[in-house]
Amino acid sequence: DTEVTQTPKHLVMGMTNKKSLKCEQHMGHRAMYWYKQKAKKPPELMFVYSYEKLSINESVPSRFSPECPNSSLLNLHLHALQPEDSALYLCASGGGSTEAFFGQGTRLTVV
Amino acid sequence: KQEVTQIPAALSVPEGENLVLNCSFTDSAIYNLQWFRQDPGKGLTSLLLIQSSQREQTSGRLNASLDKSSGRSTLYIAASQPGDSATYLCAVRGPTGANSKLTFGKGITLSVRP
Repeated sequence: DTEVTQTPKHLVMGMTNKKSLKCEQHMGHRAMYWYKQKAKKPPELMFVYSYEKLSINESVPSRFSPECPNSSLLNLHLHALQPEDSALYLCASGGGSTEAFFGQGTRLTVV
Repeated sequence: KQEVTQIPAALSVPEGENLVLNCSFTDSAIYNLQWFRQDPGKGLTSLLLIQSSQREQTSGRLNASLDKSSGRSTLYIAASQPGDSATYLCAVRGPTGANSKLTFGKGITLSVRP
C-alpha cells in the first residue's frame, strides 16, 4: 500500500474560520511533509516532520500550524487565513529510500 | 540554493512518438532525484526514483537517467499515448535524505495528440 490519504478533498473557509487538514499514511514512513501548490506552479515545501518532531519550517506564517499526533497522522491547522492562501495543499511521506509519496491534496479556497 | 530547471514548459507530440523530457539542477550534492506526474487538479504520482549513486531506472515505457556531476536528468517516454498527457515534474532531494527538502522544477506540460 503506497497510499497517502488526505481529507477533505475540497474546503471553503472564511477568513475568520478555523479548520484542519488531515493526512494519513500506513507505510511506516517516519518523515511526513506539507507542501503548498499554487496554480501552474511547482509545490513549495512548508513543513517537514521527522520521527514525529518538526524538523523544518520554511518560514511559514503562524496562521498555519502543523501537528503530528503519531507516526501515521499529520494535521495542518488553519486560522485567520487570507485569500492568497487559497491553493492545493499536498501531504507527502517518505521512507528509507526517501521516495516521496504524495496524497491527492486538499483544494482550499479562502473567501 | 538549489535550482531545478525544466525546459520547455510545454510540449505537444503525436501519438506513438518517443520523447525525452529534460531536467537540470545547479547543486550536484543531492540525495536522489524523483520524477512525478501530475494530472490537472490532482496530487503527484511518483514515476521513478534515482538514487545519487545510480545512473538510470526503468519502469515500463519510462526510463530515467541521472548524470549527477553535470546536474542533468532525462525522462524518456517510449511510444507515447494520449493517456500520457499530464505535467511531468522533476525534483531533487537535498543531501541529508528524508530530513531535507524536495526542490521541484516548474514542470513540463505534455500533450499527446491522437
